Amino acid sequence: GENVEQHPSTLSVQEGDSAVIKCTYSDSASNYFPWYKQELGKRPQLIIDIRSNVGEKKDQRIAVTLNKTAKHFSLHITETQPEDSAVYFCAARFNRDTDKLIFGTGTRLQVFP
Amino acid sequence: NAGVTQTPKFRVLKTGQSMTLLCAQDMNHEYMYWYRQDPGMGLRLIHYSVGEGTTAKGEVPDGYNVSRLKKQNFLLGLESAAPSQTSVYFCASSHRVEEKLFFGSGTQLSVL
Repeated sequence: GENVEQHPSTLSVQEGDSAVIKCTYSDSASNYFPWYKQELGKRPQLIIDIRSNVGEKKDQRIAVTLNKTAKHFSLHITETQPEDSAVYFCAARFNRDTDKLIFGTGTRLQVFP
Repeated sequence: NAGVTQTPKFRVLKTGQSMTLLCAQDMNHEYMYWYRQDPGMGLRLIHYSVGEGTTAKGEVPDGYNVSRLKKQNFLLGLESAAPSQTSVYFCASSHRVEEKLFFGSGTQLSVL
């Protein structure tokens, strides 16, 4: 079925360290993979996305890598800062019948000063 | 330009009561979605719409109904609320599925 698995569920790092969150998806036809950040009490907001014709995409301190063969993609945050503390969600577009955007279960990232 | 507006922001229901959540967007988006967010379970898709007059089931559609009579509005209905429907509900919209989702501010629903 349509499924996105996300790990880890919680992640604690020291300020300045890197953080990596991984997601796997079930549908080999999936072709769009966004990442959303949700701060406490706020709505989710898109931080970066990648399409299946690209292996890696960077935007300042964040990057996403995609391995279509293994059906997994990862979010990398370098030089973490306390304001990076939030819940991060990966998602994948499933389009066998009609378009759906399915989210992973989320990773709570805590960056300690 | 308000973006995506959800009403109400908070609601408490008794088991068996009904209610409708309203989502309105002013960005002329084709796609609209209803998600529920529960601790440890992420954002789960309830129903979605790819255009005015269309609706489709998501991951967890049971107990909910939706309607998209106007392009800018997407309504989520609970006909007979159950405690398992206690959750935070988010509406979202986008031009296409492969574009940024704009989320509403969420509705905290408690069913007693």
